[in-house]
Amino acid sequence: NAGVTQTPKFQVLKTGQSMTLQCAQDMNHEYMSWYRQDPGMGLRLIHYSVGAGITDQGEVPNGYNVSRSTTEDFPLRLLSAAPSQTSVYFCASSYSYKGDTEAFFGQGTRLTVV
Amino acid sequence: KQEVTQIPAALSVPEGENLVLNCSFTDSAIYNLQWFRQDPGKGLTSLLLIQSSQREQTSGRLNASLDKSSGRSTLYIAASQPGDSATYLCAVPNAGNNRKLIWGLGTSLAVNP
Repeated sequence: NAGVTQTPKFQVLKTGQSMTLQCAQDMNHEYMSWYRQDPGMGLRLIHYSVGAGITDQGEVPNGYNVSRSTTEDFPLRLLSAAPSQTSVYFCASSYSYKGDTEAFFGQGTRLTVV
Repeated sequence: KQEVTQIPAALSVPEGENLVLNCSFTDSAIYNLQWFRQDPGKGLTSLLLIQSSQREQTSGRLNASLDKSSGRSTLYIAASQPGDSATYLCAVPNAGNNRKLIWGLGTSLAVNP
């Protein structure tokens, strides 16, 4: 059972570089989201998607782009990396049934921007 | 606006103790509450999900309770073991969009042999 798979696990970028964090889920969940986790600030929602072709902004979307061309994949793109984007990034997927929902998370990507 | 608070921020106990982690939320209109475990440098593992209509959920040595009226949930860990050392996070869905989660900052637990 793969669940939610994120790649890479670790990444070091130079300021100004761009990259894509990959996220894939095999549970056929409609909803996927990206969070960043920073010490003392908890998890904050970056972007989310309620289905293929539909994305929306979370709390901290600036500097990030997403797309959702398939149900399975939800990549997060850093357009021009900044040191403030040093963080641990988590992708999640969830189902919704009769108003209820449960979230499943990937193992995270630890990103350092120098 | 929903806010989630976890107390204590850190806890250190000797092996074998029973312990309680607390999670409080300001808006009682929640669909459910989820407890997660996070090991250092690792991802988030879902431990227990309590539906809004439930009072508690159990999984092995873990028991989570929910009191919506008082805005509180507790995670009870029985007979703690060093392998329980991790950060425990609770989260509730946002009232306006039930698939957006609102998170506490977590309780960092150390169980000493």
